[in-house]
Amino acid sequence: DAGITQSPRHKVTETGTPVTLRCHQTENHRYMYWYRQDPGHGLRLIHYSYGVKDTDKGEVSDGYSVSRSKTEDFLLTLESATSSQTSVYFCAISALVSNTGELFFGEGSRLTVL
Amino acid sequence: KQEVTQIPAALSVPEGENLVLNCSFTDSAIYNLQWFRQDPGKGLTSLLLIQSSQREQTSGRLNASLDKSSGRSTLYIAASQPGDSATYLCAVRANAGGTSYGKLTFGQGTILTVHP
Repeated sequence: DAGITQSPRHKVTETGTPVTLRCHQTENHRYMYWYRQDPGHGLRLIHYSYGVKDTDKGEVSDGYSVSRSKTEDFLLTLESATSSQTSVYFCAISALVSNTGELFFGEGSRLTVL
Repeated sequence: KQEVTQIPAALSVPEGENLVLNCSFTDSAIYNLQWFRQDPGKGLTSLLLIQSSQREQTSGRLNASLDKSSGRSTLYIAASQPGDSATYLCAVRANAGGTSYGKLTFGQGTILTVHP
């Protein structure tokens, strides 16, 4: 299994509070991604990173920001959480060396915004 | 815009059956296609990755095929077991100039139940 750790795994918070989810990898992969998974919408890309301090928006980036100060860590921040951000968030990584683009996922972080 | 469709949405079979899951996509200009399984409350586990130049990949009881021209991939599971029960998703990566950096589009998944 790919060495991907997400924290926290579960969080309940209130509307308007900031939330940060952390993704840590031990694979030294260049690419890291944040997805959210919702019933009826499947998996949707929020943001991704193609290197330290290099990030870009995905299809549902509004209300989210990311940071990557080290190869192994990719943080997802909800500046002011809303109920529509209740979801399961997945971090994923992919390698550059083999250039196959194979994607590996973490176990997910379940966020509930009340 | 790439659209990925998985049929059927749900499938229930008795143990021991061979089965086929289908994935179709609208834009044949793909870089690769990846099959995943997801168990309830868990992340996605990569099963098989097929590059656009390949026709099939095999891993144990799993065989995935790719027909780019018709926009189809199938995941064949031989001798199904109750432990195969999960949601199976396919994901298609766009061909961004021959690199692995193209957009990834997921299907909605097929929920498989294998009963003893």
